[in-house]
Amino acid sequence: DTGVSQNPRHKITKRGQNVTFRCDPISEHNRLYWYRQTLGQGPEFLTYFQNEAQLEKSRLLSDRFSAERPKGSFSTLEIQRTEQGDSAMYLCASSLIGPYQPQHFGDGTRLSIL
Amino acid sequence: AQSVTQLDSQVPVFEEAPVELRCNYSSSVSVYLFWYVQYPNQGLQLLLKYLSGSTLVKGINGFEAEFNKSQTSFHLRKPSVHISDTAEYFCAVFSGANNLFFGTGTRLTVIP
Repeated sequence: DTGVSQNPRHKITKRGQNVTFRCDPISEHNRLYWYRQTLGQGPEFLTYFQNEAQLEKSRLLSDRFSAERPKGSFSTLEIQRTEQGDSAMYLCASSLIGPYQPQHFGDGTRLSIL
Repeated sequence: AQSVTQLDSQVPVFEEAPVELRCNYSSSVSVYLFWYVQYPNQGLQLLLKYLSGSTLVKGINGFEAEFNKSQTSFHLRKPSVHISDTAEYFCAVFSGANNLFFGTGTRLTVIP
């Protein structure tokens, strides 16, 4: 069990650029979640996958945000045309399928928009 | 709808003293509650969870929490804190949409 891995750990970019983050879940976990955490707040749910199917995406913050998990393993979160307000920590978590299985979190990707 | 309120944004406490971090919830469905800890520049680590059964739940690092349905609370306690317990603590409720809904967090600072 190597844990949930997120890359990069920190991304600095100019406003208007596109960014992509990667998450590698724990290998036997079928579910994968993305959260956003802003300063002084708890994580805010964005979307989740069960295997390759995206089962909930209504919480994505705008149509600039999209996520994929093409082969049911790793996932990517893309933000297009970044804005100042997108600066935050983006967290990935994974879990087994089943009622209320605990979610295991990665260390996050911190996005800074200049 | 589910929501979580963490009443204290910051809690300073002296080393080896007891601590209680408060959490109140509201939920229109069955309640499943969690406490996570976040150390600086890291992700969240599960401390403990309440799904059903005994209302007193024991977790890692000597923490425990008590589910109180009548008071809609799930307070976290530790009888004697260490310097290494300094961190941010989040209470969360499991949403029917298969995701966690988090409180705003409580920063625990242990003073030597």
